[in-house]
Amino acid sequence: DVKVTQSSRYLVKRTGEKVFLECVQDMDHENMFWYRQDPGLGLRLIYFSYDVKMKEKGDIPEGYSVSREKKERFSLILESASTNQTSMYLCASTYSGDGDTQYFGPGTRLTVL
Amino acid sequence: GESVGLHLPTLSVQEGDNSIINCAYSNSASDYFIWYKQESGKGPQFIIDIRSNMDKRQGQRVTVLLNKTVKHLSLQIAATQPGDSAVYFCAGRGPALIFGKGTTLSVSS
Repeated sequence: DVKVTQSSRYLVKRTGEKVFLECVQDMDHENMFWYRQDPGLGLRLIYFSYDVKMKEKGDIPEGYSVSREKKERFSLILESASTNQTSMYLCASTYSGDGDTQYFGPGTRLTVL
Repeated sequence: GESVGLHLPTLSVQEGDNSIINCAYSNSASDYFIWYKQESGKGPQFIIDIRSNMDKRQGQRVTVLLNKTVKHLSLQIAATQPGDSAVYFCAGRGPALIFGKGTTLSVSS
């Protein structure tokens, strides 16, 4: 079974702090994605990566950056957290030969005070 | 822009009934669709997918129907159980995956 793990289930940070959200997948998937999920807005794509050291902006990249130094790990960085970044963050990965079936991690509930 | 949306934000059914969750999409070039289930406190889980060259695909207790003429797809769950209670998302590829906002299915005993 594909396993996608995220470093924290719950996180509380203060405005202005730098926040790192880590995602690791164990199935050698090329593609990895970061979404945020908010009530009434569904899943919105922040950034994605098709290979190591490659990144592409999604629909809402402002205020975020990412890092993909190793194939299995995709990090989401909030350079200076703000209260409007309070959300559920979901990481997903896919294998290029498997269509677009995305395997999701359990999510990180981030609260910015 | 392109969109994928569900018709109803909530659906309540009795245990044992069949459930139908509907979804519409705007991109006629979408060639691949997925249904996900998200239980409380968990990430979305893949349920079933369908390619645009198909009208119907069946899984275990679930069936996805695709009507390209009206750009509509549905997820049918047979003999709905309390464990089916969750939020259900459809997603379409066009070219990146676009997710609908979700329908919350509540199953009462």
